Amino acid sequence: KAGVTQTPRYLIKTRGQQVTLSCSPISGHRSVSWYQQTPGQGLQFLFEYFSETQRNKGNFPGRFSGRQFSNSRSEMNVSTLELGDSALYLCASSPTPTGAILNTEAFFGQGTRLTVV
Amino acid sequence: AQKITQTQPGMFVQEKEAVTLDCTYDTSDPSYGLFWYKQPSSGEMIFLIYQGSYDQQNATEGRYSLNFQKARKSANLVISASQLGDSAMYFCAMSSLITQGGSEKLVFGKGTKLTVNP
Repeated sequence: KAGVTQTPRYLIKTRGQQVTLSCSPISGHRSVSWYQQTPGQGLQFLFEYFSETQRNKGNFPGRFSGRQFSNSRSEMNVSTLELGDSALYLCASSPTPTGAILNTEAFFGQGTRLTVV
Repeated sequence: AQKITQTQPGMFVQEKEAVTLDCTYDTSDPSYGLFWYKQPSSGEMIFLIYQGSYDQQNATEGRYSLNFQKARKSANLVISASQLGDSAMYFCAMSSLITQGGSEKLVFGKGTKLTVNP
């Protein structure tokens, strides 16, 4: 069974550009969550999608957006990139929404390391 | 609001010895789950162990065990017989039931960097 796949693994962008990151969940998983990881702030929740609907959103500006397709693949987009957006972006998939069943673990991808210069 | 605190930024342990990584949590939800994840330098978060708030016994998974003390709101991870491959970042995380008005997301601590010395 294939794991969570995130593409690309590494990305370098210039301030002001936009970027789209992709996440393919484990087959059969309908929930996809996105997290931003930085040395200073740690892991911060961005948003969660389940069956193409955004269920929850973290405390990030509107420049951060996402969507989920009918095959459960998800993309997140960051517009007007800032230096502070440099981070490891992690995607996690699970069969049910986070919190629906307590002992449902989230399976993470290897992340996309975004560097904004 | 939910909060996870990991007070040890870094820990060192000798190979083959046991090590305890601390985790305390704060929540007003009666039903919650506690997770430990390992993050090697490759970046991927690897699930290690889970403990439910109503579980009577401490969870164990191979060399990993969770020392759950509900009254103290602590969920420490114990790694027995440390191996060089255990060197990584370790994160404690919490989730709550949606029906209880939980936050519907995993809340993570800042992590502990474990180094296993040969």
